[in-house]
Amino acid sequence: EAGVAQSPRYKIIEKRQSVAFWCNPISGHATLYWYQQILGQGPKLLIQFQNNGVVDDSQLPKDRFSAERLKGVDSTLKIQPAKLEDSAVYLCASSPTTGGAVFSGGYTFGSGTRLTVV
Amino acid sequence: TQLLEQSPQFLSIQEGENLTVYCNSSSVFSSLQWYRQEPGEGPVLLVTVVTGGEVKKLKRLTFQFGDARKDSSLHITAAQPGDTGLYLCAGRISSGSARQLTFGSGTQLTVLP
Repeated sequence: EAGVAQSPRYKIIEKRQSVAFWCNPISGHATLYWYQQILGQGPKLLIQFQNNGVVDDSQLPKDRFSAERLKGVDSTLKIQPAKLEDSAVYLCASSPTTGGAVFSGGYTFGSGTRLTVV
Repeated sequence: TQLLEQSPQFLSIQEGENLTVYCNSSSVFSSLQWYRQEPGEGPVLLVTVVTGGEVKKLKRLTFQFGDARKDSSLHITAAQPGDTGLYLCAGRISSGSARQLTFGSGTQLTVLP
Protein backbone atom coordinates (compact mmCIF):
# COMPACT_ATOMS: atom_id res chain seq x y z
CA GLU A 1 0.00 0.00 0.00
CA ALA A 2 1.38 3.39 -0.96
CA GLY A 3 2.03 5.73 1.93
CA VAL A 4 1.07 9.34 2.49
CA ALA A 5 2.78 11.49 -0.14
CA GLN A 6 3.88 15.04 0.59
CA SER A 7 5.63 17.65 -1.49
CA PRO A 8 7.87 19.50 -1.54
CA ARG A 9 10.28 17.93 0.97
CA TYR A 10 12.02 21.22 1.65
CA LYS A 11 11.16 24.86 1.12
CA ILE A 12 13.04 28.04 1.97
CA ILE A 13 11.20 31.35 1.62
CA GLU A 14 11.57 34.89 2.85
CA LYS A 15 9.20 36.28 5.44
CA ARG A 16 6.02 37.75 4.02
CA GLN A 17 6.15 35.40 1.02
CA SER A 18 3.53 32.72 0.45
CA VAL A 19 4.00 28.96 0.29
CA ALA A 20 1.85 25.91 -0.37
CA PHE A 21 2.21 22.29 0.64
CA TRP A 22 0.53 19.31 -0.94
CA CYS A 23 -0.57 15.99 0.54
CA ASN A 24 -2.02 12.84 -0.98
CA PRO A 25 -3.30 10.47 1.72
CA ILE A 26 -3.56 6.70 1.63
CA SER A 27 -6.25 5.63 -0.82
CA GLY A 28 -9.58 5.22 0.91
CA HIS A 29 -8.62 7.09 4.07
CA ALA A 30 -11.48 9.42 4.88
CA THR A 31 -9.70 11.52 7.48
CA LEU A 32 -6.75 13.79 6.77
CA TYR A 33 -4.75 15.85 9.25
CA TRP A 34 -2.18 18.61 8.97
CA TYR A 35 0.26 18.91 11.86
CA GLN A 36 2.95 21.49 12.55
CA GLN A 37 6.10 20.24 14.28
CA ILE A 38 8.50 22.86 15.52
CA LEU A 39 12.04 21.65 16.20
CA GLY A 40 12.26 19.93 19.56
CA GLN A 41 8.49 19.68 20.01
CA GLY A 42 5.78 17.16 19.29
CA PRO A 43 3.40 17.62 16.37
CA LYS A 44 0.54 20.09 16.89
CA LEU A 45 -2.70 19.63 15.02
CA LEU A 46 -3.57 22.46 12.63
CA ILE A 47 -6.63 21.08 10.87
CA GLN A 48 -8.60 17.86 10.47
CA PHE A 49 -10.72 16.94 7.45
CA GLN A 50 -13.35 14.22 7.19
CA ASN A 51 -13.73 13.61 3.46
CA ASN A 52 -13.89 17.17 2.10
CA GLY A 53 -15.33 18.79 5.23
CA VAL A 54 -13.46 20.46 8.07
CA VAL A 55 -13.90 18.68 11.42
CA ASP A 56 -11.59 20.86 13.52
CA ASP A 57 -9.54 23.92 12.61
CA SER A 58 -9.50 25.52 16.06
CA GLN A 59 -5.69 25.72 16.16
CA LEU A 60 -5.21 26.95 12.61
CA PRO A 61 -4.01 30.60 12.49
CA LYS A 62 -6.67 31.59 10.03
CA ASP A 63 -5.29 35.06 9.40
CA ARG A 64 -2.42 33.49 7.48
CA PHE A 65 -3.05 29.76 7.12
CA SER A 66 -5.63 28.12 4.88
CA ALA A 67 -6.27 24.53 3.85
CA GLU A 68 -8.58 22.74 1.50
CA ARG A 69 -9.50 19.23 0.48
CA LEU A 70 -11.87 19.90 -2.39
CA LYS A 71 -12.53 16.39 -3.69
CA GLY A 72 -12.05 14.55 -0.42
CA VAL A 73 -8.73 13.12 -1.53
CA ASP A 74 -5.60 15.26 -1.70
CA SER A 75 -5.16 18.45 0.26
CA THR A 76 -3.18 21.68 0.18
CA LEU A 77 -2.04 23.84 3.09
CA LYS A 78 -1.11 27.44 2.36
CA ILE A 79 0.64 30.10 4.39
CA GLN A 80 0.31 33.73 3.32
CA PRO A 81 2.20 35.75 4.44
CA ALA A 82 4.81 33.61 6.18
CA LYS A 83 6.46 34.65 9.44
CA LEU A 84 9.76 33.56 10.91
CA GLU A 85 7.96 31.52 13.57
CA ASP A 86 6.31 29.41 10.86
CA SER A 87 9.62 27.61 10.36
CA ALA A 88 8.76 24.00 11.11
CA VAL A 89 8.05 20.62 9.60
CA TYR A 90 4.53 20.33 8.25
CA LEU A 91 3.25 16.78 8.52
CA CYS A 92 0.25 15.32 6.79
CA ALA A 93 -1.40 12.19 8.18
CA SER A 94 -4.41 10.11 7.29
CA SER A 95 -6.59 7.51 8.95
CA PRO A 96 -9.53 5.41 7.81
CA THR A 97 -11.99 7.12 10.17
CA THR A 98 -12.22 9.53 13.07
CA GLY A 99 -12.93 6.50 15.18
CA GLY A 100 -15.55 5.56 17.72
CA ALA A 101 -15.27 5.57 21.46
CA VAL A 102 -12.09 3.51 21.30
CA PHE A 103 -9.88 4.01 18.28
CA SER A 104 -7.25 1.32 18.02
CA GLY A 105 -5.68 2.35 14.72
CA GLY A 106 -2.87 4.79 14.32
CA TYR A 107 -2.29 7.58 11.91
CA THR A 108 -0.08 7.12 8.88
CA PHE A 109 2.19 10.10 8.42
CA GLY A 110 3.97 11.42 5.40
CA SER A 111 7.64 12.41 5.55
CA GLY A 112 6.74 16.05 5.96
CA THR A 113 7.76 19.33 4.39
CA ARG A 114 10.52 21.23 6.16
CA LEU A 115 9.83 24.95 5.86
CA THR A 116 12.48 27.54 6.65
CA VAL A 117 11.41 31.16 6.72
CA VAL A 118 14.32 33.62 6.56
CA THR B 1 0.48 24.11 28.69
CA GLN B 2 1.36 20.71 27.26
CA LEU B 3 -1.46 18.22 27.70
CA LEU B 4 0.97 15.32 27.63
CA GLU B 5 4.29 15.70 29.43
CA GLN B 6 7.11 13.41 28.43
CA SER B 7 10.30 12.78 30.39
CA PRO B 8 13.13 12.84 30.06
CA GLN B 9 13.33 15.25 27.14
CA PHE B 10 16.75 13.91 26.11
CA LEU B 11 18.40 10.57 26.86
CA SER B 12 21.80 9.35 25.73
CA ILE B 13 22.85 5.84 26.69
CA GLN B 14 25.31 3.13 25.71
CA GLU B 15 24.31 0.13 23.66
CA GLY B 16 23.05 -2.68 25.87
CA GLU B 17 21.63 -0.48 28.63
CA ASN B 18 17.99 -0.42 29.67
CA LEU B 19 15.85 2.70 29.76
CA THR B 20 12.37 3.93 30.56
CA VAL B 21 10.60 7.00 29.24
CA TYR B 22 7.42 8.41 30.68
CA CYS B 23 4.29 10.09 29.43
CA ASN B 24 2.06 11.83 31.98
CA SER B 25 -1.13 13.85 31.92
CA SER B 26 -3.89 15.09 34.17
CA SER B 27 -6.44 14.03 31.55
CA VAL B 28 -7.97 10.59 31.07
CA PHE B 29 -7.39 9.02 27.67
CA SER B 30 -9.55 6.49 25.87
CA SER B 31 -6.43 5.24 24.15
CA LEU B 32 -2.77 6.10 24.03
CA GLN B 33 -0.25 5.47 21.31
CA TRP B 34 3.53 5.50 21.05
CA TYR B 35 5.30 6.58 17.90
CA ARG B 36 8.95 6.69 16.89
CA GLN B 37 10.18 9.39 14.55
CA GLU B 38 13.52 9.31 12.75
CA PRO B 39 15.17 12.41 11.26
CA GLY B 40 13.49 13.56 8.07
CA GLU B 41 10.57 11.19 8.47
CA GLY B 42 7.11 11.27 9.93
CA PRO B 43 6.20 9.44 13.16
CA VAL B 44 5.60 5.70 12.84
CA LEU B 45 3.13 3.95 15.11
CA LEU B 46 4.66 1.43 17.54
CA VAL B 47 1.72 0.44 19.71
CA THR B 48 -1.74 1.38 20.93
CA VAL B 49 -2.93 0.74 24.49
CA VAL B 50 -6.57 1.09 25.42
CA THR B 51 -7.19 -0.62 28.77
CA GLY B 52 -6.03 0.74 32.14
CA GLY B 53 -3.15 -1.39 33.41
CA GLU B 54 -2.52 -2.90 30.00
CA VAL B 55 0.99 -4.07 29.19
CA LYS B 56 2.13 -4.74 25.63
CA LYS B 57 5.45 -6.09 24.46
CA LEU B 58 7.05 -5.52 21.09
CA LYS B 59 10.35 -7.43 21.02
CA ARG B 60 12.60 -5.46 23.41
CA LEU B 61 10.01 -2.71 23.97
CA THR B 62 7.47 -2.92 26.80
CA PHE B 63 4.60 -0.44 26.95
CA GLN B 64 2.37 0.09 29.95
CA PHE B 65 -0.82 2.10 30.31
CA GLY B 66 -1.54 3.42 33.79
CA ASP B 67 -4.49 2.06 35.74
CA ALA B 68 -6.22 5.44 35.63
CA ARG B 69 -5.42 5.85 31.90
CA LYS B 70 -3.60 9.13 32.57
CA ASP B 71 -0.04 7.97 32.06
CA SER B 72 2.11 5.52 30.18
CA SER B 73 5.67 4.27 30.06
CA LEU B 74 7.95 2.76 27.48
CA HIS B 75 10.76 0.48 28.61
CA ILE B 76 13.51 -0.64 26.26
CA THR B 77 15.71 -3.58 27.20
CA ALA B 78 19.24 -3.85 25.88
CA ALA B 79 19.02 -0.76 23.72
CA GLN B 80 20.60 -0.83 20.28
CA PRO B 81 21.77 2.04 18.03
CA GLY B 82 18.79 1.31 15.79
CA ASP B 83 16.52 2.39 18.64
CA THR B 84 17.77 5.96 18.27
CA GLY B 85 14.97 8.38 17.50
CA LEU B 86 12.31 10.68 18.87
CA TYR B 87 9.72 8.78 20.91
CA LEU B 88 6.31 10.42 21.01
CA CYS B 89 3.30 9.50 23.04
CA ALA B 90 -0.10 10.54 21.73
CA GLY B 91 -3.41 10.34 23.48
CA ARG B 92 -7.01 10.46 22.49
CA ILE B 93 -9.10 12.17 25.15
CA SER B 94 -12.16 10.29 26.36
CA SER B 95 -14.55 13.20 25.81
CA GLY B 96 -15.04 15.38 22.77
CA SER B 97 -16.46 14.73 19.37
CA ALA B 98 -13.46 15.04 17.10
CA ARG B 99 -11.17 12.75 19.07
CA GLN B 100 -7.92 13.79 17.49
CA LEU B 101 -4.60 12.61 18.76
CA THR B 102 -2.72 15.01 21.00
CA PHE B 103 1.03 14.51 21.01
CA GLY B 104 3.53 14.94 23.80
CA SER B 105 6.74 16.88 23.33
CA GLY B 106 8.80 13.74 22.82
CA THR B 107 11.89 12.04 24.22
CA GLN B 108 14.96 12.20 22.02
CA LEU B 109 16.85 8.93 22.53
CA THR B 110 20.40 8.40 21.37
CA VAL B 111 21.96 4.97 21.73
CA LEU B 112 25.71 5.03 21.33
CA PRO B 113 27.54 1.98 19.95
